[in-house]
Amino acid sequence: DGGITQSPKYLFRKEGQNVTLSCEQNLNHDAMYWYRQDPGQGLRLIYYSQIVNDFQKGDIAEGYSVSREKKESFPLTVTSAQKNPTAFYLCASRVAYGTGYQPQHFGDGTRLSIL
Amino acid sequence: GESVGLHLPTLSVQEGDNSIINCAYSNSASDYFIWYKQESGKGPQFIIDIRSNMDKRQGQRVTVLLNKTVKHLSLQIAATQPGDSAVYFCAENLGRSQGNLIFGKGTKLSVKP
Repeated sequence: DGGITQSPKYLFRKEGQNVTLSCEQNLNHDAMYWYRQDPGQGLRLIYYSQIVNDFQKGDIAEGYSVSREKKESFPLTVTSAQKNPTAFYLCASRVAYGTGYQPQHFGDGTRLSIL
Repeated sequence: GESVGLHLPTLSVQEGDNSIINCAYSNSASDYFIWYKQESGKGPQFIIDIRSNMDKRQGQRVTVLLNKTVKHLSLQIAATQPGDSAVYFCAENLGRSQGNLIFGKGTKLSVKP
């Protein structure tokens, strides 16, 4: 079945540590996105990538980094510079940049907590 | 489960009744709108979408209504079932060339058996 796989489901970070969240999709989608979700708030965009080897900052990119070396993969690193990393992280993908009226599809998230 | 439902507006309905979830969107230039359903501990699931050149669109047991004059979107769920209990988000697309979405804060739907 085609879909978006996020791993791990739960992740714990120590102070001063970088951690990387995995997102893989086999939908052959060009565009991929990372969101952060906090209780009682809507999804906030961290980074997005419309095509391999290119990505753009979203609304809350500080303290995060990404790479897009393969079409299927869009890993997110939460760096030690992110002082409040505890949140639910969601990865999404979409058919292609500029294709207009197509929804984003989501993985089942990674819950990041501080030890 | 995940605490995505904290401090959200809540709609409580009886099983079998119809549900109406409302959303006010922010930008009159938005041309595409999506409703998502999010169950506890899971990612948002696509329900239905609508373009700005339409007022109404129907799916299986769901209908989305768009009122561009007042920038309002609603999701109607017919014959609500316990499995419909979740947080529902609306999202607007500011420009089709980017596909980036702005999400509302969500409404928690609780279905009483």
